Amino acid sequence: SQQGEEDPQALSIQEGENATMNCSYKTSINNLQWYRQNSGRGLVHLILIRSNEREKHSGRLRVTLDTSKKSSSLLITASRAADTASYFCATVDTGNQFYFGTGTSLTVIP
Amino acid sequence: GAGVSQSPSNKVTEKGKDVELRCDPISGHTALYWYRQSLGQGLEFLIYFQGNSAPDKSGLPSDRFSAERTGGSVSTLTIQRTQQEDSAVYLCASSSFQAKNGYTFGSGTRLTVV
Repeated sequence: SQQGEEDPQALSIQEGENATMNCSYKTSINNLQWYRQNSGRGLVHLILIRSNEREKHSGRLRVTLDTSKKSSSLLITASRAADTASYFCATVDTGNQFYFGTGTSLTVIP
Repeated sequence: GAGVSQSPSNKVTEKGKDVELRCDPISGHTALYWYRQSLGQGLEFLIYFQGNSAPDKSGLPSDRFSAERTGGSVSTLTIQRTQQEDSAVYLCASSSFQAKNGYTFGSGTRLTVV
């Protein structure tokens, strides 16, 4: 399937460290998006990177996209306890169909 | 059914009219979400149902928007007195309680307010 796959499934780090999550997918995309979900809440859109872009920044977030490897990474720098959440990548194909992965559970220890 | 079903797939309505959008989630999925996507944008969270708990309505943009989920299954999103800025694709997703298998999205309803 086209579903994105995040790696690792779970990540635990100390506050202040950087967190890196990876996403791989299978077919052509129009764009790739990263979302965050706090426990019991809906998905919150973090950042969108288009298929012709290689890197994008937003605050403490840095996203890279390698379409030749069909992979993306999300880097959260100087993590905070409030960053504790699940992070999902979603690929969007040319028909505007979304495909979500199963997510990475991030725990930031104060 | 095998997937999340949304209806109608397309809806054109006149400004000021009310619309109802329907979502039929995967059987057994306790969580149901409504999102909105404007052209070229990310998903905007609207509302979240989880089992019999009170829904999380924090994403509803105005009191013209409301949603119900009857019997823990089918959900309807109602937009009253539609405005042109309501034009978007409305997506529904469902998952098991802890989303161990991720989310399954419907194909969406494309709403156009003229």
